[in-house]
Amino acid sequence: QVQLQESGPGLLKPSETLSLTCTVSGGFTSNHYLNWIRQSPGKGLEWIGYIYYSGRTNYNPSLQSRVTISVDRSKGQVSLKVTSVTSADTAVYYCAREFEDNNTYLYGLDVWGRGTTVTVSS
Amino acid sequence: SYELTQPPSVSVSPGQTATITCSGDKLGSKYACWFQQKPGQSPVLVMFQDNKRPSGIPERFSGSNSGSTATLTISGTQAMDEADYYCQAWHSDNVVFGGGTKLTVL
Repeated sequence: QVQLQESGPGLLKPSETLSLTCTVSGGFTSNHYLNWIRQSPGKGLEWIGYIYYSGRTNYNPSLQSRVTISVDRSKGQVSLKVTSVTSADTAVYYCAREFEDNNTYLYGLDVWGRGTTVTVSS
Repeated sequence: SYELTQPPSVSVSPGQTATITCSGDKLGSKYACWFQQKPGQSPVLVMFQDNKRPSGIPERFSGSNSGSTATLTISGTQAMDEADYYCQAWHSDNVVFGGGTKLTVL
């Protein structure tokens, strides 16, 4: 069973860069998307962006100018960077996996990490 | 930008049927997913491709999607089903979530 685990600093100051890692047990295999999603305290889910196994990425337009997602296949890790953070970036950050078959049918975000809490405060 | 709209809250009595809706422009032409999230836990996929249940999800969960509305139905609702529920769809290569619905079982 594939497992995802997020890790990274839990406390940042305004204007710093948020850097998180999602470790994929079993590796980042073909036909999968790895998404980053966050949830501010008491709020709903917000999609940040994805990286496909091919390396293709796409980001939420509202965050695009500050977000980068990358993969280190040798380590089975997907990274998220968000620059110039503010208190609005305070959230639980999740990574979640979705499978796409050869007919481009998607099978839902079926594996989620436990999430990591990031607080931005001076 | 594309939006998915859910009612903020739905209440249901134990054993009754709960219906949670999700509305979006031409949503029926896309596939909808649903997630259940309990306090302090990660979301759990309960429905994908409109009406398919992942392994381990009880049969009392069902889904449909037509026109501009996707619906998650929970038949014979149990106390353990009390949670926040989120719909989700892909639009223009972006993942979009609804705002979430708090299901109260009372």
